[in-house]
Amino acid sequence: SQQGEEDPQALSIQEGENATMNCSYKTSINNLQWYRQNSGRGLVHLILIRSNEREKHSGRLRVTLDTSKKSSSLLITASRAADTASYFCATAPTGANSKLTFGKGITLSVRP
Amino acid sequence: AAGVIQSPRHLIKEKRETATLKCYPIPRHDTVYWYQQGPGQDPQFLISFYEKMQSDKGSIPDRFSAQQFSDYHSELNMSSLELGDSALYFCASSRDRGHGTEAFFGQGTRLTVV
Repeated sequence: SQQGEEDPQALSIQEGENATMNCSYKTSINNLQWYRQNSGRGLVHLILIRSNEREKHSGRLRVTLDTSKKSSSLLITASRAADTASYFCATAPTGANSKLTFGKGITLSVRP
Repeated sequence: AAGVIQSPRHLIKEKRETATLKCYPIPRHDTVYWYQQGPGQDPQFLISFYEKMQSDKGSIPDRFSAQQFSDYHSELNMSSLELGDSALYFCASSRDRGHGTEAFFGQGTRLTVV
């Protein structure tokens, strides 16, 4: 499997519910980032968590990072129809290189 | 605030033609990345530059080349275009090789090869 594998691949929830998306990766990382993409549009940065952090919050977003398990989760609380989009995790590796590797996206549908 | 600017937004080319995509990073960002995203696919890393020098190379075909200029803008040159090159091409920029800060993406160039 590839670096930055997300699961589930697709998620459908009712407005107001919470959405949890998971991501796993393989190599050592400097940080992990979550992005959102509306269909055919650009990638919007949501949140970055560094390898020495375990949890981070930003508004309705909560991200966790478990470096021992090489996994991260993104929680969106009180979802809204406008949260409907594809979500990607991306990892920045350790070392002197510049390569942000994306995993397969999770398609989130929030039903009004 | 200034964002990453890509041009053109849309491009239609015929097979075997060449295409040049341009990217203007956010001021004072020292790292530029190029990604290719096919329909329904995740973004695939092509190449990156740090301080105008090539930093990392991903799954970039030999038919493609890129460079970063003295004003930090970058260009992705694509030759002998194939139908399979049809995709969204994103440029992103960040500071400090992306180690400490997030990468900001442009709106992308949609390339259609016919």
